[in-house]
Amino acid sequence: ETGVTQSPTHLIKTRGQQVTLRCSSQSGHNTVSWYQQALGQGPQFIFQYYREEENGRGNFPPRFSGLQFPNYSSELNVNALELDDSALYLCASSLVSGNQETQYFGPGTRLLVL
Amino acid sequence: QKEVEQNSGPLSVPEGAIASLNCTYSDRGSQSFFWYRQYSGKSPELIMSIYSNGDKEDGRFTAQLNKASQYVSLLIRDSQPSDSATYLCAVRGNNRLAFGKGNQVVVIP
Repeated sequence: ETGVTQSPTHLIKTRGQQVTLRCSSQSGHNTVSWYQQALGQGPQFIFQYYREEENGRGNFPPRFSGLQFPNYSSELNVNALELDDSALYLCASSLVSGNQETQYFGPGTRLLVL
Repeated sequence: QKEVEQNSGPLSVPEGAIASLNCTYSDRGSQSFFWYRQYSGKSPELIMSIYSNGDKEDGRFTAQLNKASQYVSLLIRDSQPSDSATYLCAVRGNNRLAFGKGNQVVVIP
């Protein structure tokens, strides 16, 4: 167990809808990263939040947005869902110390868009 | 060129044998390297991190890093059926992890 939790575990939405996924960091961690993992692929970086500010973003459109709260928990919001958004969404928390950072993953949220 | 490449297909190894996994990366400035294990339907689990050239051993796992060749490998000694999983190579750069596609390992009893 990493101490990182995500909710919900599974979700079914229809195309065009909006979804919010939630993540609680491991105690003592100040950074949260979100990844999308399609079936048979490695996780793809969406964005990272450090102390409530976006600290890097991958090649995802603006309809993917996020927040980090003062307690370091985080949300991932996806608007105007498309069929290709169906994937496992992973949250990883970490404590950035100098140049070193080790990310620990939560159990993920499996999203199906119909 | 992909940032992180894991090109081998599924790897079948007999129980007790050594499984060898390889990974290459494109960013020569990368400093941190990780191996994650992912069981089917589950999230990635960190098994090794390595930052310096050479070998790092942790139990039955050994990670090897060669920054000049931009190459990271993972050896699993005395493979067990519980090692059957997908192994993901990850490289840290620009505040993010770049992952390879993963290598599936099947340990045959």
